[in-house]
Amino acid sequence: EAGVAQSPRYKIIEKRQSVAFWCNPISGHATLYWYQQILGQGPKLLIQFQNNGVVDDSQLPKDRFSAERLKGVDSTLKIQPAKLEDSAVYLCASSTLPGLAVQETQYFGPGTRLLVL
Amino acid sequence: GQQLNQSPQSMFIQEGEDVSMNCTSSSIFNTWLWYEQDPGEGPVLLIALYKAGELTSNGRLTAQFGITRKDSFLNISASIPSDVGIYFCAGRGRAQKLVFGQGTRLTINP
Repeated sequence: EAGVAQSPRYKIIEKRQSVAFWCNPISGHATLYWYQQILGQGPKLLIQFQNNGVVDDSQLPKDRFSAERLKGVDSTLKIQPAKLEDSAVYLCASSTLPGLAVQETQYFGPGTRLLVL
Repeated sequence: GQQLNQSPQSMFIQEGEDVSMNCTSSSIFNTWLWYEQDPGEGPVLLIALYKAGELTSNGRLTAQFGITRKDSFLNISASIPSDVGIYFCAGRGRAQKLVFGQGTRLTINP
């Protein structure tokens, strides 16, 4: 079974530029998550989708970050404009069960490493 | 919001030694998870715990869900070089959002 796919794997941009990340979840997984992982820290949830609807975006900096999951499969996360503090690894995860299920297991992709100069 | 304190931040051990790390929370969790992350990869689930007091093993790994529901620990017995990596605890409480600890970086001297 193919895992969660993410692209690009690395991205270097200058501050105030825009950037977009793409995620393809495991086939059949209805729930998709985007996490931000700053160097030396654990992942922090940015947004959770259930099919193509947003379940939780309370920690997404909406003035510069946006995400969508058209058709309930692939998802894109965009940052516009980027700031220095956005340098981090952006992880996508998916699961078969909704986030409210006690035994939900999230499978993570390899992440996109973003460096903002 | 919910916060997890994971310790130690890093460990330097000899191959064959046992390892122990733990996480504590400021609030009650209903689920505790332990992940391992290698450089350039996403976290991989090692052990999941769903009940207070639960003790679960996965090969040389053993984890426990604390009775107070505010802590969990992970033990690795007889460490080998491939155990090197960063170990994260994660918990899910009433808010249902998965919250991660800061990670424990494990280094093993052969």
